[in-house]
Amino acid sequence: EAQVTQNPRYLITVTGKKLTVTCSQNMNHEYMSWYRQDPGLGLRQIYYSMNVEVTDKGDVPEGYKVSRKEKRNFPLILESPSPNQTSLYFCASSLSGGRNYYNSPLHFGNGTRLTVT
Amino acid sequence: SQKIEQNSEALNIQEGKTATLTCNYTNYSPAYLQWYRQDPGRGPVFLLLIRENEKEKRKERLKVTFDTTLKQSLFHITASQPADSATYLCAVSSNTGKLIFGQGTTLQVKP
Repeated sequence: EAQVTQNPRYLITVTGKKLTVTCSQNMNHEYMSWYRQDPGLGLRQIYYSMNVEVTDKGDVPEGYKVSRKEKRNFPLILESPSPNQTSLYFCASSLSGGRNYYNSPLHFGNGTRLTVT
Repeated sequence: SQKIEQNSEALNIQEGKTATLTCNYTNYSPAYLQWYRQDPGRGPVFLLLIRENEKEKRKERLKVTFDTTLKQSLFHITASQPADSATYLCAVSSNTGKLIFGQGTTLQVKP
């Protein structure tokens, strides 16, 4: 089944403790992206990747890191989580990379609900 | 700044009626507009994409219009069913090539 898989689904951690949220897609998609979703603010892009070894900042990249060593994986790293990073996180992928990625539908994972205390 | 507005108030309609959701955008001219459905606790699911040179697009009971003069897209669900209850997100391509999402409108279809 074609899908984007995120792990874990739920995560509670403490301020400053490094964590990684994994994302994997099995559709051979070039483009991958991380979003966070907060009440009243909608979906905001954190980082995106047009292809392997190519990553770029989205609208809210502060406090996050990503890597794209393989086409299928795009982990999100919080080196020193803070309470303002408590949110619902989504990984997404689409077929097309390059400047035309936005005319390809995005496939989303089921989300990771992160709580930082 | 670039802005997308969807009605933040929930839309409540009776089963069998047509639901119409609105997406307004300001300060740029997107080449594409997409609509997604999101159920509670789940990721958004793609529904339809419409290009700037397309006035209307249909898929089964769904219809999307794109009025570049009004800077507005309308999303219609005909013969609505309780299973259509969800939050619907519109997303537009910005002039920087990014996809920007609206906050979504929650639709509740009552039997």
